Amino acid sequence: KAGVTQTPRYLIKTRGQQVTLSCSPISGHRSVSWYQQTPGQGLQFLFEYFSETQRNKGNFPGRFSGRQFSNSRSEMNVSTLELGDSALYLCASSLLSGTSVYNEQFFGPGTRLTVL
Amino acid sequence: AQKITQTQPGMFVQEKEAVTLDCTYDTSDPSYGLFWYKQPSSGEMIFLIYQGSYDQQNATEGRYSLNFQKARKSANLVISASQLGDSAMYFCAMREGHYGGSQGNLIFGKGTKLSVKP
Repeated sequence: KAGVTQTPRYLIKTRGQQVTLSCSPISGHRSVSWYQQTPGQGLQFLFEYFSETQRNKGNFPGRFSGRQFSNSRSEMNVSTLELGDSALYLCASSLLSGTSVYNEQFFGPGTRLTVL
Repeated sequence: AQKITQTQPGMFVQEKEAVTLDCTYDTSDPSYGLFWYKQPSSGEMIFLIYQGSYDQQNATEGRYSLNFQKARKSANLVISASQLGDSAMYFCAMREGHYGGSQGNLIFGKGTKLSVKP
C-alpha cells in the first residue's frame, strides 16, 4: 500500500508570492491534516479535512487555506508569503476524523518551503 | 500552559544501551491518547507507539515501550538496545477526547534529539 505522498518536496519562493502544496493520502483514508514545523514553534496544527469538509482549524491567519477533493487528495495554499512561513509542511492521513483518541495518523515526507 | 512537555532537548546514548525519553502532559479530559513519533533527518514522522488513557498495561512495540504513569501525567519512551539508526528527533504527542478543548488534533511536544554513539 502506498504511503502518504507530498509534492513538491522542496520549494523556494519570494515574499509576497503564493504557493500551493499537495498531499495524496493513503488509499481509503478520508482525513487529511496539515501541520507546520519550524525550529522556533515546533509542530503546529493547521487544519483537518474530512470528506471534503474542513473539520478543524488551528490558530493561523487567513492566508493559510486548504481544500480536499472527492478523491481525498488535499491542497494547502499560502498567499502573500512572509519570511516566517519558511517551514516544513507535513501532511498526515487517517481513516477517521479526529474524534477518536486512537486515530493513528500516517505522515508524508513533508514539503520544505523556503521564503526569500 | 504547555500541554506536552519534553524537557530533554538532546540526549546521547551508547549503542546497545537503553535510553529513556521523558514526556509529561497536561489535560483535564479523562479520555486521551498518547503517541510517540520518530523524525529522522529526512523529515518524515514515523509512528512508534500508542498508549490510551484507559489502558491498564504499558504499551510495547518491539524495542519501544512506554512507561505510563497516569497519576504523574508522564509517558516516557524507553528504547532498549539502541541502534545507530535510532538517531533522530523524537516527539511525544497527545490527542484529547471531547472535553479537552483541542478538538481531537494532535498536540506535539518540542521534541528530543537522540544521538546514538558507536
